[in-house]
Amino acid sequence: NAGVTQTPKFQVLKTGQSMTLQCAQDMNHNSMYWYRQDPGMGLRLIYYSASEGTTDKGEVPNGYNVSRLNKREFSLRLESAAPSQTSVYFCASRVTRDTQYQPQHFGDGTRLSIL
Amino acid sequence: GENVEQHPSTLSVQEGDSAVIKCTYSDSASNYFPWYKQELGKGPQLIIDIRSNVGEKKDQRIAVTLNKTAKHFSLHITETQPEDSAVYFCAATLRPGAGSYQLTFGKGTKLSVIP
Repeated sequence: NAGVTQTPKFQVLKTGQSMTLQCAQDMNHNSMYWYRQDPGMGLRLIYYSASEGTTDKGEVPNGYNVSRLNKREFSLRLESAAPSQTSVYFCASRVTRDTQYQPQHFGDGTRLSIL
Repeated sequence: GENVEQHPSTLSVQEGDSAVIKCTYSDSASNYFPWYKQELGKGPQLIIDIRSNVGEKKDQRIAVTLNKTAKHFSLHITETQPEDSAVYFCAATLRPGAGSYQLTFGKGTKLSVIP
C-alpha cells in the first residue's frame, strides 16, 4: 500500500519551461490537494479537487493549473516556470464523510528548482 | 478566512524533558485541529488531532489540549526522545466532511531534542 505517490522527487527547470507534477493515491480517497512549502511559510494550498471532475483554487493558484485525471490522479502544471515557483510541492488526499472530518495524507514531495 | 499562528518557531529541549508548542486560530467556527510531524525530506504525517467537542486528547507521550474560548490549542510531548526531532505543524479547519474544506496551517516549529 503506497499511499500518496509523487513524481518526480527532484527537478530543475529553466525560467519559462513548462512541467507537470504527478500525484497518485491508492486509498480510494475522494479529495486531493496540492500545496507548496517555502521556508518559514508553512504549507499553502494551491488547488484542490473535492471529487473527481471538480477543481477549485486555493490560497496561491496564480501560475498553476491542475487536472483531476481520474479518482486516483491529480496533476499540477506550471506552464511557464518562474524563479518564485522554486519550492517543495506536496500532494495530499483524504476520504470525505459528512459526519466527521477525515485527515489529509501527504506524499513525500517534489523538490523543484527554477533557475 | 482562517489564520493560524504557531509558536515558537524553534524549540530545543534536553532528552527526557517535555516540549510544548502553541497555536492560536482566528475563526471561532473552526472545529477540527490536526497536528502533523514532518521529518527531513518527507511529507507531513498526522500524529494527533482533536475536534472541538473535546478539551484534551492523549496518545502515549503526545497530548493535545484545546481552549475554544481563548481560541488556542497546544501540543505536549513528554519524555522527549531524539527521534522526536522534526518540524511540527498545527492546522485548523471548518465543518466536518465537506469536500471543499481546507486546512489552514501554522508556519511550523522545528523541535530539536538534544541527547
